[in-house]
Amino acid sequence: ETGVTQTPRHLVMGMTNKKSLKCEQHLGHNAMYWYKQSAKKPLELMFVYNFKEQTENNSVPSRFSPECPNSSHLFLHLHTLQPEDSALYLCASSRQIGSTGVTDTQYFGPGTRLTVL
Amino acid sequence: KQEVTQIPAALSVPEGENLVLNCSFTDSAIYNLQWFRQDPGKGLTSLLLIQSSQREQTSGRLNASLDKSSGRSTLYIAASQPGDSATYLCAVRPDNQGGKLIFGQGTELSVKP
Repeated sequence: ETGVTQTPRHLVMGMTNKKSLKCEQHLGHNAMYWYKQSAKKPLELMFVYNFKEQTENNSVPSRFSPECPNSSHLFLHLHTLQPEDSALYLCASSRQIGSTGVTDTQYFGPGTRLTVL
Repeated sequence: KQEVTQIPAALSVPEGENLVLNCSFTDSAIYNLQWFRQDPGKGLTSLLLIQSSQREQTSGRLNASLDKSSGRSTLYIAASQPGDSATYLCAVRPDNQGGKLIFGQGTELSVKP
């Protein structure tokens, strides 16, 4: 399997549920990202991981908890979500160039369509 | 704070037309600018990436230009086809902020047969 994969592709959950989104990249990259895409709004960066370390948290509520066990896998753990959290959640990966933090082109997965009831 | 704006928000054209999508950004301190395509309910596919030192990039029927000093980029699509129907997103990578991308809201393109 190649590229960036995400599971599940669709998820419906209640406000009291706990669920996790999974992202896996098969490109040998060392940086991974979570984005949120809500209707009629630009993509919003949520988290960035470089070499398994979180380097950016874009003021994301604590009900979203990321986990990066290795450079190939990224999870987003969800709990006590609100209906306004319903969106398309996109994962991306890229190659970090040198030690400056600059990265190459980001490759995106197909996304998980999340609906919170 | 960097902001990216895309005009128009939606565009419908007949097949065969040449068209231009516009992107503007407020802070010229960018590392590069990238155009993506997104099909409904799907992820993003990178189309063209222009480094801050470049003026344009071409791939097939697509040509992207960058005027960093004026904070503008255009995506030119020649001889449009129904298969070009999608949302086109512009994103800038600010200087000194690692891999962070700032996206515009996109232009939804519909090419009618």
